[in-house]
Amino acid sequence: RKEVEQDPGPFNVPEGATVAFNCTYSNSASQSFFWYRQDCRKEPKLLMSVYSSGNEDGRFTAQLNRASQYISLLIRDSKLSDSATYLCVVNPNSGNTPLVFGKGTRLSVIA
Amino acid sequence: DAGVTQSPTHLIKTRGQQVTLRCSPKSGHDTVSWYQQALGQGPQFIFQYYEEEERQRGNFPDRFSGHQFPNYSSELNVNALLLGDSALYLCASSLPLPGTGRNTIYFGEGSWLTVV
Repeated sequence: RKEVEQDPGPFNVPEGATVAFNCTYSNSASQSFFWYRQDCRKEPKLLMSVYSSGNEDGRFTAQLNRASQYISLLIRDSKLSDSATYLCVVNPNSGNTPLVFGKGTRLSVIA
Repeated sequence: DAGVTQSPTHLIKTRGQQVTLRCSPKSGHDTVSWYQQALGQGPQFIFQYYEEEERQRGNFPDRFSGHQFPNYSSELNVNALLLGDSALYLCASSLPLPGTGRNTIYFGEGSWLTVV
């Protein structure tokens, strides 16, 4: 089983749609969880950190279920500018341990 | 305050050659990590440097080596290049948040390496 697995995608959705990304992780002792956004041919950029049961930032909501080892990202009222690849990222330990990335799920928001 | 800077941004090398990529971390960040991202994949951890020592290493062959300098900047060296080494190489710098056990991580824009 891969350490971090995501929906394979791609997702093609119309503007205004709600889209959900799912991610599972294999290391039950993992400490920190993140969603990164990566635009085409650019570096990954932190979208949201998920430290407890979940958090919300505007149109974006991240949820964590430690019992199921499952993380989700919900985007409401999607915009054309949301088109990107969304990477699920896990830090197996605290501090400066290396991040473990999922393969990413590509989202295209269509006018 | 400059973020993480990497050079060169793009380069093309021939199989068997050697390459050196460079990274300057964000000001005050003492830990530098390198990741390889092949097309269509997520970044994969190569190694991490702290206090000029390799502290952790991912599942990469010895052809991949690195160095960290006293000013915290870092180099990634790859010897005997293979076609499969073609990828985006990302440098990340980090600094622990005091008292939290967490750290803030910043990525550079990456170096695109094409091996032909």
